[in-house]
Amino acid sequence: GENVEQHPSTLSVQEGDSAVIKCTYSDSASNYFPWYKQELGKRPQLIIDIRSNVGEKKDQRIAVTLNKTAKHFSLHITETQPEDSAVYFCAASTGGGNKLTFGTGTQLKVEL
Amino acid sequence: GAVVSQHPSRVICKSGTSVKIECRSLDFQATTMFWYRQFPKQSLMLMATSNEGSKATYEQGVEKDKFLINHASLTLSTLTVTSAHPEDSSFYICSARVDPLIYEQYFGPGTRLTVT
Repeated sequence: GENVEQHPSTLSVQEGDSAVIKCTYSDSASNYFPWYKQELGKRPQLIIDIRSNVGEKKDQRIAVTLNKTAKHFSLHITETQPEDSAVYFCAASTGGGNKLTFGTGTQLKVEL
Repeated sequence: GAVVSQHPSRVICKSGTSVKIECRSLDFQATTMFWYRQFPKQSLMLMATSNEGSKATYEQGVEKDKFLINHASLTLSTLTVTSAHPEDSSFYICSARVDPLIYEQYFGPGTRLTVT
């Protein structure tokens, strides 16, 4: 089955700096890669996603890049703000609303 | 649109009892729902895939007889934790898909189960 690895497990940045979280996946059939932000005790919130036919996608301060050949994808957050502090999860699936396999999560802390 | 609710949001039960958690799609029909379990400071682990009108597909290592899943309608799936034990205490989250062509899954708010 699919295996998704995520690094780093914790990330501390200064407000205004950029943050990068990286994931690798194992199943070459995976074609959908969402990123979620989860606050304590809350549901995962989709912040951006990318399909395998696209190499990069951007939404304001958030961007995701995908390298299909290397089987890795990354989340980039620019101009970080304290409210960006949360746990971020990457995930992968074979699309079509099929099951998601989640990475292990990254605790992002944005310090003033 | 695409709202998923869960009930209850929190439940405390005694060891040996059973607990039912409901997952509802409020404004769409969900042919497929997913159940995840999340232990503190850990990731979401898929427990099973629930398809309306058919038996659920359980992930390896998940006990079918302990975690009973029923998806009797296009808007409701239930997870029953039978003979609950303290180690079953966790955050249970469901998600639903709107359409196979729409890759996004919509998550419920989760249910915090505490077994004493």
